[in-house]
Amino acid sequence: EIVLTQSPGTLSLSPGERATLSCRASHTVTSNYLAWYQQKPGQAPRLLIYGAANRATGIPDRFSGSGSGADFTLTISSLEPEDFAVYYCQRYGTSPQITFGGGTKVEIK
Amino acid sequence: QVQLQESGPGLVKPSETLSLTCSVSGNSITYYYWSWIRQPPGKRLEWVASSSYVGSTDYNPSLMSRVTISIDTSKNQFSLNLMSVTAADTAVYFCARLYSSGKFDHWGQGILVTVSS
Repeated sequence: EIVLTQSPGTLSLSPGERATLSCRASHTVTSNYLAWYQQKPGQAPRLLIYGAANRATGIPDRFSGSGSGADFTLTISSLEPEDFAVYYCQRYGTSPQITFGGGTKVEIK
Repeated sequence: QVQLQESGPGLVKPSETLSLTCSVSGNSITYYYWSWIRQPPGKRLEWVASSSYVGSTDYNPSLMSRVTISIDTSKNQFSLNLMSVTAADTAVYFCARLYSSGKFDHWGQGILVTVSS
């Protein structure tokens, strides 16, 4: 089973700062089938990035994804007040088909 | 605009079967894969199951012995049955559309299901 480990667990930053979130897989993620989601309290997750580096429809360009193989990064170039949330990475592959990381909480410093 | 809406009981007794339905609007269910994902309170997301309209299914191995996903094309709905539930199955259950390249691009709002006597 492929395990996704996200770090740090919590990131304390101020609006305007840059956020760098890591997602590390225990094995290579096939075809970079790696996505990132944002989740706010009481809400469903929202797709941000798919295919490791492609922004989903309507996602601002301050969000960017990078990486390949087993190491992936989500970067928020300049935090807006609405960006403080929990972020999850997710991979798609085989057996089990889909796994999620443990999440990184981005909180206001 | 694709919309998904979960429905079902919010309280299930231990050892009974949890049954949920997801109604899809704005998109025919005869395309894509459709999935259930759950999130225990304060914990990470956990993929439960996925299915295409032709009945090609895939399950989380840790739940495979207890879970069934099915699709009703006539109602544009899909369903989840989880047997022999325990308190560990208490979670918010989300339904979602699984697009190509493995992304969940549309989600329901989620429904909290509590397992308790």
